[in-house]
Amino acid sequence: GQSLEQPSEVTAVEGAIVQINCTYQTSGFYGLSWYQQHDGGAPTFLSYNALDGLEETGRFSSFLSRSDSYGYLLLQELQMKDSASYFCAVIPGGYNKLIFGAGTRLAVHP
Amino acid sequence: DGGITQSPKYLFRKEGQNVTLSCEQNLNHDAMYWYRQDPGQGLRLIYYSQIVNDFQKGDIAEGYSVSREKKESFPLTVTSAQKNPTAFYLCASSIDSQTSYEQYFGPGTRLTVT
Repeated sequence: GQSLEQPSEVTAVEGAIVQINCTYQTSGFYGLSWYQQHDGGAPTFLSYNALDGLEETGRFSSFLSRSDSYGYLLLQELQMKDSASYFCAVIPGGYNKLIFGAGTRLAVHP
Repeated sequence: DGGITQSPKYLFRKEGQNVTLSCEQNLNHDAMYWYRQDPGQGLRLIYYSQIVNDFQKGDIAEGYSVSREKKESFPLTVTSAQKNPTAFYLCASSIDSQTSYEQYFGPGTRLTVT
């Protein structure tokens, strides 16, 4: 089967840096995606890693280590609007679909 | 503006009734997906379609049915066989099945069954 683990909640202050970890166990693996979802809203795509290393997109970066079955999302210069849930999602081998983790709720405080 | 529309935003039904949720996209995407989200949880895949007239079961397909007769439309029917249908339902699309890592989501339909 497939399983993804990420922390349920993270708290940080404005301007800080926060890292949200994701470990996965899948039968085969193509890549790791990250999505953001504000309360009551639709998820929006943030990033995708298929290869090991760091991908940077503005204030957000995502990292993948295939050998460790581990990835993280790094959010810098936190703003209040970054308060949301963040989901990691994997594409398991042999399938063209995403399997989502349970999500990490990030609360940014002044 | 290109995007995905889902209607209605809120839907109320009595137990024992089938209900169909609408999902339309004008992004010219080949692949479409239906997810269910319960409070405080992640998204669980119900059905997905890689191309018109083709669809596959996801992880929780029991009690649901879909059709994909047109590229832009992927309606989901929640049948009376679904034991716990009250949930937030999200439709998504991707350019094709190879780009399933980047999905575009509709605003969702919140279904309440009493």
